[in-house]
Amino acid sequence: DAKTTQPNSMESNEEEPVHLPCNHSTISGTDYIHWYRQLPSQGPEYVIHGLTSNVNNRMASLAIAEDRKSSTLILHRATLRDAAVYYCVTWAGFGNEKLTFGTGTRLTIIP
Amino acid sequence: DVKVTQSSRYLVKRTGEKVFLECVQDMDHENMFWYRQDPGLGLRLIYFSYDVKMKEKGDIPEGYSVSREKKERFSLILESASTNQTSMYLCASSFRAGRSGNTIYFGEGSWLTVV
Repeated sequence: DAKTTQPNSMESNEEEPVHLPCNHSTISGTDYIHWYRQLPSQGPEYVIHGLTSNVNNRMASLAIAEDRKSSTLILHRATLRDAAVYYCVTWAGFGNEKLTFGTGTRLTIIP
Repeated sequence: DVKVTQSSRYLVKRTGEKVFLECVQDMDHENMFWYRQDPGLGLRLIYFSYDVKMKEKGDIPEGYSVSREKKERFSLILESASTNQTSMYLCASSFRAGRSGNTIYFGEGSWLTVV
């Protein structure tokens, strides 16, 4: 079973901020929180990842709860090109750990 | 840029055929993964490998096998293709240990239709 829980779908208006939530209550101390997105007919692409502190990059921001049991991906100003399925994954990346994805959140942007 | 290349974008195979899906990465990654993606089911892990000649079962290994003879190449094998293996197959790779969270890189996907 996937170790994260996300809403199946969300909608947002163009040019407004979007907050995509993810619950990962069983996260271990060595797991990073990753976000990927998948545009239609493409493989997933990296968005952002973090361990404990909030993170920013040119695509998005990642807000991590103090207890690390949840996180939020923030798109500051959604565009039509942000319409995609967004996956939240927790993974340490070493050892023999499986890397499993859930079903993600399908984000629709309304013009 | 990191590149994960899947050999075939679209394939049509007949039931019972042996099918090879090839994946090559150019970043010296230790980890490689094969997923299948079906509508409403997200990405499901078939097999993964953390080193040459090493392989581990994922969540849905039945009907599949894998081969990792070289570090850069990870092959998915359908020994006898069936119609329920019609799907999109995604390959991914990453570093294994202690590299700031190990970003995962995906190929573009291989659409397999079994008729």
